[in-house]
Amino acid sequence: TQLLEQSPQFLSIQEGENLTVYCNSSSVFSSLQWYRQEPGEGPVLLVTVVTGGEVKKLKRLTFQFGDARKDSSLHITAAQPGDTGLYLCAGDFQGAQKLVFGQGTRLTINP
Amino acid sequence: EAGVAQSPRYKIIEKRQSVAFWCNPISGHATLYWYQQILGQGPKLLIQFQNNGVVDDSQLPKDRFSAERLKGVDSTLKIQPAKLEDSAVYLCASSLLPLGGNTIYFGEGSWLTVV
Repeated sequence: TQLLEQSPQFLSIQEGENLTVYCNSSSVFSSLQWYRQEPGEGPVLLVTVVTGGEVKKLKRLTFQFGDARKDSSLHITAAQPGDTGLYLCAGDFQGAQKLVFGQGTRLTINP
Repeated sequence: EAGVAQSPRYKIIEKRQSVAFWCNPISGHATLYWYQQILGQGPKLLIQFQNNGVVDDSQLPKDRFSAERLKGVDSTLKIQPAKLEDSAVYLCASSLLPLGGNTIYFGEGSWLTVV
């Protein structure tokens, strides 16, 4: 069974602080996606990373894919209350042709 | 472009009753997915269709859950009889092609409470 472990599960910080959340697996991904989900809505894709060592930036969000394509991180700089939500990583494992989700990191940014 | 449409948004039923959820994917999307998201967890794939054929239903509890996509467009997910542990959000999603870097678009979900 392919599993994705996200950490931390919960994170509550003050506006303006920086944070990093992690997504780890013992299996190799063909690609990895990060989603954000707000209450009452479905997940919305933030980014897809495909190449080992790849770094992608989306405004204040920086996504990194591990060299071995088994792990990823999401770093948020100067967090804002609008960043509050459930952050999910999802891996497309080699040959599986299906997306497996982690359990998510619930992020709360306090004004 | 219209997104993935799901109905109903909310449903409360008693255990042992049945319920059906409907999904209309984005036009032209060949791949359709049903995910179950229990509160506090990430989505779990229940079934994946490619056009009207099933690609993966390994995590679908087939004794009580069924899904179909008869004409390769709309899909329905049925639960009969429902159990308390089926309380969850049922997310429908679609993509142009199965994964391989293709973006998956999710609907807003159908919230099921079994009492």
